[in-house]
Amino acid sequence: DTAVSQTPKYLVTQMGNDKSIKCEQNLGHDTMYWYKQDSKKFLKIMFSYNNKELIINETVPNRFSPKSPDKAHLNLHINSLELGDSAVYFCASSHGTSGASSYNEQFFGPGTRLTVL
Amino acid sequence: SQQGEEDPQALSIQEGENATMNCSYKTSINNLQWYRQNSGRGLVHLILIRSNEREKHSGRLRVTLDTSKKSSSLLITASRAADTASYFCATGSYGGKLIFGQGTELSVKP
Repeated sequence: DTAVSQTPKYLVTQMGNDKSIKCEQNLGHDTMYWYKQDSKKFLKIMFSYNNKELIINETVPNRFSPKSPDKAHLNLHINSLELGDSAVYFCASSHGTSGASSYNEQFFGPGTRLTVL
Repeated sequence: SQQGEEDPQALSIQEGENATMNCSYKTSINNLQWYRQNSGRGLVHLILIRSNEREKHSGRLRVTLDTSKKSSSLLITASRAADTASYFCATGSYGGKLIFGQGTELSVKP
């Protein structure tokens, strides 16, 4: 009965590879997010989707491509991985439409620790 | 861009003591939220305070908000070893975008 789940939990890969992280929420929320947490624990939003529509796209390299097949899923695909992509990636979700979502709490997944060698 | 700063960056106290963490932010806000992150885990929402509120309580947590000073504080009373975690403030903006502070690492010693 996990609310927001991510797979895999750990991902170790070589530079230049392409990888995907999957996220699913069973809370019935309309909005989902991807955050990146660096080694100093600084958290920064990357993307947000509302009902499968991209709402927020921060200044993220276009090697990162989110995909939302339905409102319960938001996957993150990363092409040509670089050393600087090593971080913990968190998926989150919240209730409400795109504007109103800012007024609601967000529920976070357990994170995916990506290590690029 | 980072919204603001949290103070202190690290705090170590004994069980039973109170812990106070402060957060400052730069822009106008609709609300400010506090989250907890245990080591190696995801963030857990603790409390949300709206810009027209000055104080809010939830169990052993007390949050204050001073919009004139663009600052907030989180007080944990009667701390327990299980409160050991990183605590983050975050401000909400359009589209659900949360802008986080740098966090306070709280260590509660039994």
